[in-house]
Amino acid sequence: KNQVEQSPQSLIILEGKNCTLQCNYTVSPFSNLRWYKQDTGRGPVSLTIMTFSENTKSNGRYTATLDADTKQSSLHITASQLSDSASYICVVSDRGSTLGRLYFGRGTQLTVWP
Amino acid sequence: EADIYQTPRYLVIGTGKKITLECSQTMGHDKMYWYQQDPGMELHLIHYSYGVNSTEKGDLSSESTVSRIRTEHFPLTLESARPSHTSQYLCASSDPVAEQYFGPGTRLTVT
Repeated sequence: KNQVEQSPQSLIILEGKNCTLQCNYTVSPFSNLRWYKQDTGRGPVSLTIMTFSENTKSNGRYTATLDADTKQSSLHITASQLSDSASYICVVSDRGSTLGRLYFGRGTQLTVWP
Repeated sequence: EADIYQTPRYLVIGTGKKITLECSQTMGHDKMYWYQQDPGMELHLIHYSYGVNSTEKGDLSSESTVSRIRTEHFPLTLESARPSHTSQYLCASSDPVAEQYFGPGTRLTVT
């Protein structure tokens, strides 16, 4: 069964600190992995997208890593800001259909305190 | 910010009413999607469309229906709302490289 598991479920950090969110997946065949940020009451916004051959990709203070062999990904947030408070969702796409089916994790709820 | 819009943003309605959630995008994307999301849970695909006059049911069974008469417009309809339909509904469209862009969502509450 294709699944995407994220940890931790929730995380509280102080402003200015770094944090790392984890994503493990069993989706096969693998096409790409995306990290989205979803603010409360809003739709998800794409942060990064990585294909099989990419190990790391950065978007400002966000750096995603991918290990396709172990089927693990992480999202590292540097020097956190209050505006980083949101749910971070790991999404994996398969190559098994023309739809490019997306499998969503439940997200990590990050809260940044001043 | 993606050019994909949803209305209404919030809706509280009584049981048995017919409702239509609107979704439109100005990016010219052929593929569009409807997802349902409960608090703290993952998104579930309920409908998708490859283009005009093309609609398919997604992974999660839903009593809603969709139509795609114009490329830019993908409305979702519930003929008779029930409390079990209370949820957040997210519309999305994807570009040719399959990057998905989400709308802001409609928070539906059925009393």
